[in-house]
Amino acid sequence: NAGVTQTPKFRVLKTGQSMTLLCAQDMNHEYMYWYRQDPGMGLRLIHYSVGEGTTAKGEVPDGYNVSRLKKQNFLLGLESAAPSQTSVYFCASSSLAGGVNEQYFGPGTRLTVT
Amino acid sequence: GENVEQHPSTLSVQEGDSAVIKCTYSDSASNYFPWYKQELGKRPQLIIDIRSNVGEKKDQRIAVTLNKTAKHFSLHITETQPEDSAVYFCAASIRGNQFYFGTGTSLTVIP
Repeated sequence: NAGVTQTPKFRVLKTGQSMTLLCAQDMNHEYMYWYRQDPGMGLRLIHYSVGEGTTAKGEVPDGYNVSRLKKQNFLLGLESAAPSQTSVYFCASSSLAGGVNEQYFGPGTRLTVT
Repeated sequence: GENVEQHPSTLSVQEGDSAVIKCTYSDSASNYFPWYKQELGKRPQLIIDIRSNVGEKKDQRIAVTLNKTAKHFSLHITETQPEDSAVYFCAASIRGNQFYFGTGTSLTVIP
């Protein structure tokens, strides 16, 4: 049981390049989330999904797109990377089973945009 | 949307003393309040949580209190140990869909 995994762990992009971050969970969770973490800013929600085939915008969605084609995967895309998107990205998943919504986080992806 | 404020941003305590971190939230619809511990370079991990129908919850040396009227909740760590040193984040969730995080408290426990 791997929990929540993220690919890749590190990435350096040039301004204008695109990339996709992959999040996978093996806990059969309905909910999945993408956050970015910047120094002094805490975690900010980019997009989230409440089930396969559904996505919604979070606090800071501009410049990002997401897809949830399979229940276990949640992809975060950057179509044209900007230096302001340099950050650590965390994926999380949760389930409302039993009325609890504990989030489990992935190990993070450190992205640098030059 | 929801706005979560967290204080203090840094906190130093002597080993064995207590530490208290406070958060306020703005949206009265928030009903779930987790606390996370994040060690350097690691992922956030849930240490305790509380739901809006409960005023206090305790787990060994860690406790959380919630005041719905004042819209604030606090984390209390007693008998602190060096391994408690980390960044702690509070969060508030509305209906379990979206989570809003505080900006974090860097706790240092001095041996």
